[in-house]
Amino acid sequence: QLQLQESGPGLVKPSETLSLTCTVSGGSISSSSYYWGWIRQPPGKGLEWIGSIYYSGSTYYNPSLKSRLTISVDTSKNQFSLKLSSVTAADTAVYYCARRLVPATYPFDYWGQGTLVTVSS
Amino acid sequence: DIVLTQSPDFQSVTPNEKVTITCRASQTIGSGLHWYQQKPGQSPKLLIKYTSQSFSGVPSRFSGSGSGTDFTLTINSLEAEDAATYYCHQSSSLPGTFGQGTKVEIK
Repeated sequence: QLQLQESGPGLVKPSETLSLTCTVSGGSISSSSYYWGWIRQPPGKGLEWIGSIYYSGSTYYNPSLKSRLTISVDTSKNQFSLKLSSVTAADTAVYYCARRLVPATYPFDYWGQGTLVTVSS
Repeated sequence: DIVLTQSPDFQSVTPNEKVTITCRASQTIGSGLHWYQQKPGQSPKLLIKYTSQSFSGVPSRFSGSGSGTDFTLTINSLEAEDAATYYCHQSSSLPGTFGQGTKVEIK
């Protein structure tokens, strides 16, 4: 059974960099069949797609976050990571990692449980 | 970006009733329109992919339809466990976007 687990600091100071890792178990992140993505949800609000990465390192970013965003993959650890720089209170959210099949139109079919990141001094 | 507008925002429904949630897109979408269910404290779960295809393990009372800019999620014979927020999601055009959500409450 595929499982995704987010990990990282729950509290980040304004202007600093938010860093999260998603560990994939029960499947290989190096499969050519899947993209791996990040989605976030501010408390009490809706969902926002952040970006996606392929095992080769190819990425797609949401243009609204692109200038602050880096998504990377570590196939040796079966993990992928998110770094979002210069954070503000608006970046406070539950951050989810998820998987989708390679066709660009495929939805995210497996999600992690999510991790709350609060941006506050 | 494609804006998805769901209606209604909130619906209070009696068990066994039929629920209809609509999702209107700001421009034509191909088949890349999907529906998720999210219960409090949980991650979203995929219900319907590509407008009308049920995802594995989803009860048959959930169905989807639509085309162009107008799409619908239908829950036939609502059960208590269906209390949740439902989101539509389009992946036809980058960046992928989500509707604002429709909260379904059981009366």
